[in-house]
Amino acid sequence: AQSVAQPEDQVNVAEGNPLTVKCTYSVSGNPYLFWYVQYPNRGLQFLLKYITGDNLVKGSYGFEAEFNKSQTSFHLKKPSALVSDSALYFCAVRAPSGGSYIPTFGRGTSLIVHP
Amino acid sequence: DVKVTQSSRYLVKRTGEKVFLECVQDMDHENMFWYRQDPGLGLRLIYFSYDVKMKEKGDIPEGYSVSREKKERFSLILESASTNQTSMYLCASSPPPGYPKGNTIYFGEGSWLTVV
Repeated sequence: AQSVAQPEDQVNVAEGNPLTVKCTYSVSGNPYLFWYVQYPNRGLQFLLKYITGDNLVKGSYGFEAEFNKSQTSFHLKKPSALVSDSALYFCAVRAPSGGSYIPTFGRGTSLIVHP
Repeated sequence: DVKVTQSSRYLVKRTGEKVFLECVQDMDHENMFWYRQDPGLGLRLIYFSYDVKMKEKGDIPEGYSVSREKKERFSLILESASTNQTSMYLCASSPPPGYPKGNTIYFGEGSWLTVV
């Protein structure tokens, strides 16, 4: 069975500082990995994904994520946080083929960026 | 851009009412999903459909049913609404696994349901 862990319920960071939101996963075979952001009272918005190739993936709003196969991690990063980045972030994994149709989501990490 | 549209953003229903939540996607996606989101519990899968007229139960199907008569539309039905079904409901769609572009899941804006 596939699974996703986001070990931190909340991450606090000062504006202008780098941020990291952690995600580890478990899946059979090579994974498809995703990050989503959710603002209050909104649906989930797609940020970026890893399919294959370069381990560093760049996405929307200056976010990037690094795929680390040996550590089964896919941490979300941004060099300089903005107050407007404050939101709920979800990591997700999906088996590429022959696996479950169902994507598995982490429980979410609340990012709070302080002015 | 992919668009997943949930017809109702905010609903207030009475206990015992039958409730329909509608979702339409415009990308000809095979897979569609209904999730429920509650504070501290993340996203919980209610039902999913991998093609027209095909449906499978997710983690919390009790008290819900679904309908997928057309590829673009996936409806969630609360047979007899109860107060513990007060929640945010999220619809999503995606290409099937193995799709070359990596089967990104796209979400609607959500439907806030309050059952009184």
